[in-house]
Amino acid sequence: DGGITQSPKYLFRKEGQNVTLSCEQNLNHDAMYWYRQDPGQGLRLIYYSQIVNDFQKGDIAEGYSVSREKKESFPLTVTSAQKNPTAFYLCASSAGGDYGYTFGSGTRLTVV
Amino acid sequence: GENVGLHLPTLSVQEGDNSIINCAYSNSASDYFIWYKQESGKGPQFIIDIRSNMDKRQGQRVTVLLNKTVKHLSLQIAATQPGDSAVYFCAENMAGTYKYIFGTGTRLKVLA
Repeated sequence: DGGITQSPKYLFRKEGQNVTLSCEQNLNHDAMYWYRQDPGQGLRLIYYSQIVNDFQKGDIAEGYSVSREKKESFPLTVTSAQKNPTAFYLCASSAGGDYGYTFGSGTRLTVV
Repeated sequence: GENVGLHLPTLSVQEGDNSIINCAYSNSASDYFIWYKQESGKGPQFIIDIRSNMDKRQGQRVTVLLNKTVKHLSLQIAATQPGDSAVYFCAENMAGTYKYIFGTGTRLKVLA
């Protein structure tokens, strides 16, 4: 079955550490996205990529970095520069504007 | 800027009643709209979509209405069930773009 997989489901980070969240899709989608969701709030776009080796900043890119070396993979690194990283992170992929997003099941990051 | 302090509106309905969830979209040039359902701790799932050349579209127990004049979208759920309890998001897309704009979301609570 095709789908989008995020790992790990739960992640704990000490202050000052960088952590990387994984996102893999086997849907052959060109575009991939990272969103942040805080309790009781909507989705905020961090980064997105429409094609391999290219990505753009979203609305809240500060303190985050991404890479898109393979079509299937779009990892997100939460750096120590992100002052409030505790949140639920969602990865999504899309075949194009008329096809909507397929979302992963999310990673909950907690700073300890 | 950051949407700090922004909280989701909540709609409470009795089991068996109909639910209507509203969304004001932002871009008059958007031509494709999707409703997503997000259960606690999970990624959003596609419910129903509609294109701008339509005013209404029906699925199983769900209907989406589009009013382009006032940039308004609504989701109607018939005979609401406990399993419908979730957060519902609308998303809009403009032709030729890969990026969706998400609404803030509405939390639906079904009362037994």
